Amino acid sequence: DQQVKQNSPSLSVQEGRISILNCDYTNSMFDYFLWYKKYPAEGPTFLISISSIKDKNEDGRFTVFLNKSAKHLSLHIVPSQPGDSAVYFCAAEGGTSYGKLTFGQGTILTVHP
Amino acid sequence: ETGVTQSPTHLIKTRGQQVTLRCSSQSGHNTVSWYQQALGQGPQFIFQYYREEENGRGNFPPRFSGLQFPNYSSELNVNALELDDSALYLCASSMAVGGISYNSPLHFGNGTRLTVT
Repeated sequence: DQQVKQNSPSLSVQEGRISILNCDYTNSMFDYFLWYKKYPAEGPTFLISISSIKDKNEDGRFTVFLNKSAKHLSLHIVPSQPGDSAVYFCAAEGGTSYGKLTFGQGTILTVHP
Repeated sequence: ETGVTQSPTHLIKTRGQQVTLRCSSQSGHNTVSWYQQALGQGPQFIFQYYREEENGRGNFPPRFSGLQFPNYSSELNVNALELDDSALYLCASSMAVGGISYNSPLHFGNGTRLTVT
């Protein structure tokens, strides 16, 4: 039972354009959502998060949107840079599982110069 | 601030053997979690330790066990290794209050790549 899904295994964009990464979840107990970025041979690095009491959170070039009714969140990167090329994981927690993240399968983002 | 460090970085074991992986948590953090990341998948929660006791466990068999020490460092032990145990094992630390890390992003180490042949 995959409670967090990232249906796009990969995404390719041009430098300077917008990257949009999507994530769906099924567990209605989840109320805190995070995005992590992972480079090869490194551990995941926390990028940005959003609580279910909000529908948008911004941090520089990164914005996360949450649509609770659709159980959907997305990460927007504007403008995209070649250094953003990495695997992006969506993760969720809530209910009795704080600090115990459920991850999606990841999306490989490639930003072309 | 010292980040999460894991050792060794790579390990090759034979099916049926036992393995111990080690993790030092980020300074100021009191909770350690372990995740298994198979190739092409997202990390999967194995278990979490808080105050030297297991504080939650994912869908992993008992041959996966752990320890947390008074300095908050941790070990992951896997007995009777199987080929499917080949994966990247990630350790993450966080700060918990009362055993619960409310909205506290996990900080991950670079992982140990385990290969079982």
